[in-house]
Amino acid sequence: QLQLQESGSRLVKPSQTLSLTCAVSGDSISRDNYSWSWLRQPPGKGLEWIGYFYHTGTTYYNSSLKSRVTLSVDRSKNQFSLKLNSVTAADTAVYYCARVFSGAGGYDPFDSWGQGILVTVSS
Amino acid sequence: DIEMTQSPSFLAASVGDRVTITCRASQSIANYLNWYRQRPGRAPEVLIYAASNLQNGVPGRFSGSRSEAEFTLTISSLQPEDFATYYCHQTYSTAQPTFGGGTKVEIK
Repeated sequence: QLQLQESGSRLVKPSQTLSLTCAVSGDSISRDNYSWSWLRQPPGKGLEWIGYFYHTGTTYYNSSLKSRVTLSVDRSKNQFSLKLNSVTAADTAVYYCARVFSGAGGYDPFDSWGQGILVTVSS
Repeated sequence: DIEMTQSPSFLAASVGDRVTITCRASQSIANYLNWYRQRPGRAPEVLIYAASNLQNGVPGRFSGSRSEAEFTLTISSLQPEDFATYYCHQTYSTAQPTFGGGTKVEIK
């Protein structure tokens, strides 16, 4: 059974770098027709897509975060990571990793999610 | 970026009610529209993909439809586990997918 598990620092100081990892079990992140993504949700607010490794090999980033975000993948460990630098209080959110089914004609639903990790930006 | 506008933002309903939520795109997105339910304290789960296709394992009381740039999620008979927040999600722009602001369904 597919499981995604986020891990990383839960408290980050302003101006520093937020680092998270998503460990995937029950599936391979190299599997055809699947992409892998990060999203976030500030407390009490809606969902925001951060970026993904698309199944074509291209990495896409949210244009509003692109200058601060780096996604990376470690296929040997079957995990992928997020780094967000120069954080402020506005980056406080629950961060989710998710799998994207990219084989359904490009409709790209997020079909499996991690439980989420609350990251607080505070001094 | 493509903006997705959901309505209403909140609605109060009772168990057994028929509920309809609407999502409108700022431009044509064909049927590149997915729907999610997010129960309190939990991650979202996909209900509908490609505007009207029921995700495997999702109960048949959920359905989706499209009329040009307006999309509708219908719950035919609201169940206790359906008191949640619902989001639409466009993937017409592969490079910039976006979500609607959400619709919170509360108990009347």
